[in-house]
Amino acid sequence: DTAVSQTPKYLVTQMGNDKSIKCEQNLGHDTMYWYKQDSKKFLKIMFSYNNKELIINETVPNRFSPKSPDKAHLNLHINSLELGDSAVYFCASSQVPYQETQYFGPGTRLLVL
Amino acid sequence: DAKTTQPTSMDCAEGRAANLPCNHSTISGNEYVYWYRQIHSQGPQYIIHGLKNNETNEMASLIITEDRKSSTLILPHATLRDTAVYYCIVRTPISNYGQNFVFGPGTRLSVLP
Repeated sequence: DTAVSQTPKYLVTQMGNDKSIKCEQNLGHDTMYWYKQDSKKFLKIMFSYNNKELIINETVPNRFSPKSPDKAHLNLHINSLELGDSAVYFCASSQVPYQETQYFGPGTRLLVL
Repeated sequence: DAKTTQPTSMDCAEGRAANLPCNHSTISGNEYVYWYRQIHSQGPQYIIHGLKNNETNEMASLIITEDRKSSTLILPHATLRDTAVYYCIVRTPISNYGQNFVFGPGTRLSVLP
């Protein structure tokens, strides 16, 4: 069984479009995260949610809006996509409060043309 | 985060133990050693972490030298599915709700049949 799943795996779209990435975890974790990886070495935290409440919102443009309908889901909606949004987006989850054992999803590869 | 150095690549025969070294000579007293891996096209996967005692879990063992300046990750019976890039990170415990991950180049482990 997949612990943290994301859809879609690949997303190719035009500039200016609006798109969503979905994330679900079946681990019963309280905390979920979104990361952006635009190089192999750097995984940047974007948002974290604890029990459906937004905890961290890093310096991310407000075109990015996370939504957590319940503890097991954290979706990422992106408005007016820009070329610089091209990256791999990872969802993750962990038990509160320690995230060293957080589990990552397979990633969504977003390419904005 | 303290700097780590790891070999660029290693090979290991299937079924044998894979020993992955990491040097962290500037580690400070409250920093832990964490190991993650990233299999091609997947998200980072937590493996193990420790402070100064040796640690073992279902995936691997972590041996930390007495002076804490280096450590070795041991995969006791490597399988083809263990082929991945392995990252050693030293940092204070991740106890808030989100931090960036800065991975070094890591060690590319190839498990050979």
